[in-house]
Amino acid sequence: GIQVEQSPPDLILQEGANSTLRCNFSDSVNNLQWFHQNPWGQLINLFYIPSGTKQNGRLSATTVATERYSLLYISSSQTTDSGVYFCAAPTLSGNTPLVFGKGTRLSVIA
Amino acid sequence: KAGVTQTPRYLIKTRGQQVTLSCSPISGHRSVSWYQQTPGQGLQFLFEYFSETQRNKGNFPGRFSGRQFSNSRSEMNVSTLELGDSALYLCASSSGTLNTEAFFGQGTRLTVV
Repeated sequence: GIQVEQSPPDLILQEGANSTLRCNFSDSVNNLQWFHQNPWGQLINLFYIPSGTKQNGRLSATTVATERYSLLYISSSQTTDSGVYFCAAPTLSGNTPLVFGKGTRLSVIA
Repeated sequence: KAGVTQTPRYLIKTRGQQVTLSCSPISGHRSVSWYQQTPGQGLQFLFEYFSETQRNKGNFPGRFSGRQFSNSRSEMNVSTLELGDSALYLCASSSGTLNTEAFFGQGTRLTVV
């Protein structure tokens, strides 16, 4: 099945800095999602982005399906951006709805 | 529109007991998937239910089971609990057609002592 790898595993930023999180996947995807896990454990949807670029406020994401990667950009980071960011994609066969990467733990310091 | 609701939020059980977790999907969604999150293994897929039928299953022992009701609400059951079953259990709701966006509940944190 598909393998999803995220980098970096950990990231520490000063408030106001920008960052780029990367997600590589081993197989073609028809669907890719980015999530932010809040301190209480809930996965918050950031982007549903099988291909192309989307923006939502200070966050944007780009998926280049032909090269099997996706990027999440966070600009002007705030302490509330801290947490773990996951990307996930389904297997092509559909037998696993979402395969998750191990996540990037982001800490934004004031 | 209400989101995905999981109950209970927290649970403490003793080894050997069984436990049932509940997930109510977004209204109109017919697919419910369950995931286990542990520090060591990350987020792993347990199973998916669609229209009251198990559509897909992950690589977990038979002690883990689930079902879905006609209103799309789903339950998962873990029998003969082990310490290693301590985890955050998350359920996801989607329309059920392939490649649609999934939305997660707040999770149930299970501690086995």
